Amino acid sequence: DQQVKQNSPSLSVQEGRISILNCDYTNSMFDYFLWYKKYPAEGPTFLISISSIKDKNEDGRFTVFLNKSAKHLSLHIVPSQPGDSAVYFCAASGGGNQFYFGTGTSLTVIP
Amino acid sequence: DTEVTQTPKHLVMGMTNKKSLKCEQHMGHRAMYWYKQKAKKPPELMFVYSYEKLSINESVPSRFSPECPNSSLLNLHLHALQPEDSALYLCASSQVGGNQPQHFGDGTRLSIL
Repeated sequence: DQQVKQNSPSLSVQEGRISILNCDYTNSMFDYFLWYKKYPAEGPTFLISISSIKDKNEDGRFTVFLNKSAKHLSLHIVPSQPGDSAVYFCAASGGGNQFYFGTGTSLTVIP
Repeated sequence: DTEVTQTPKHLVMGMTNKKSLKCEQHMGHRAMYWYKQKAKKPPELMFVYSYEKLSINESVPSRFSPECPNSSLLNLHLHALQPEDSALYLCASSQVGGNQPQHFGDGTRLSIL
């Protein structure tokens, strides 16, 4: 059973606007969450992470929000740029080296 | 440029062939991973090495045989694969311990004829 879910397979956003990508998880033991970006023919690239002791982490245009009670995290990209067009995976870990990945959301930023 | 290098980028092999996938990292990471990814699916963990020792084997068939000869290298030996094994094989590395991001290579696209 999928422990990490991304229910939106795709998202289109106008350049300059906010992109919001969502991720839900079922395992309450998860305490570390990450977002990866993947371009075609490349491996996933680490983007940003958050520990369960925090509810927000920001890095430039990227902010990850964690709502532990809802078992939900989101990635905000502001402002969105055409180069952000990629597949975004969220991942979660319960403290070891084993990560569980969502199915990905394909983001298209329209110039 | 990725800091985890995988070779070859593409591999086509028959079901009776023996081949190896290679992965190299020079980031000083002591945990290394093999993942399998099918189209439109998330990466699935196959193996984890921690300090050059196999720590996780996710019930992978024996036709896949991992090897970690040193802290920088990770191999995946392939033998008698099936057509359903065609996929993108990703290598990753990280520091050992919790709350450490994994860094991925660009993968090897494997096709089994």
